[in-house]
Amino acid sequence: QQQVKQSPQSLIVQKGGIPIINCAYENTAFDYFPWYQQFPGKGPALLIAIRPDVSEKKEGRFTISFNKSAKQFSLHIMDSQPGDSATYFCAAGSSNTGKLIFGQGTTLQVKP
Amino acid sequence: DAGVIQSPRHEVTEMGQEVTLRCKPISGHDYLFWYRQTMMRGLELLIYFNNNVPIDDSGMPEDRFSAKMPNASFSTLKIQPSEPRDSAVYFCASSLFLTGRGEAFFGQGTRLTVV
Repeated sequence: QQQVKQSPQSLIVQKGGIPIINCAYENTAFDYFPWYQQFPGKGPALLIAIRPDVSEKKEGRFTISFNKSAKQFSLHIMDSQPGDSATYFCAAGSSNTGKLIFGQGTTLQVKP
Repeated sequence: DAGVIQSPRHEVTEMGQEVTLRCKPISGHDYLFWYRQTMMRGLELLIYFNNNVPIDDSGMPEDRFSAKMPNASFSTLKIQPSEPRDSAVYFCASSLFLTGRGEAFFGQGTRLTVV
């Protein structure tokens, strides 16, 4: 019940494409859903986050779509660039416990 | 603030030796997390603290692993004795949940190799 399932494991798109990464969770106590971006040799860094009271959030080229009833959320990267090539992690957290659980990660490659 | 500081950045040790990883969280943060990252298992939550108190250590793989947070500015993760399967990147992260945002800030990680 604590798992966060992420797919796909890897993704290759052309520059300008729109990669989509999906995540699903089970525990309805989760009320915070961030996405993290990680470059090689670095720690993950927060990209964008959403709470379950909204269905979509946009920040620049990054959009989170959230479906509370399905317990699923996804990350869309508009007009993807080679600099977006990184590993992306979804996560689910609980403001009651402070716990933050991560998905398995998706390695994205954006080809020039 | 310099962010979350972990040391050492790299550690190579022989099987059976004791390994201690160190973390200095961001000043004022009330949560501290230890994660382990491997290709096979991704980012696993090992243990987390709230106000220096361990809240959930269910992710600690074995009794060989232990973590402490003696004060708000320092935490350690110890492996004794170490085994080759412990080889991974270990991350420390801290957050301030009082803001309601819950953003976790990660350190650079410690790459542990047990030979």
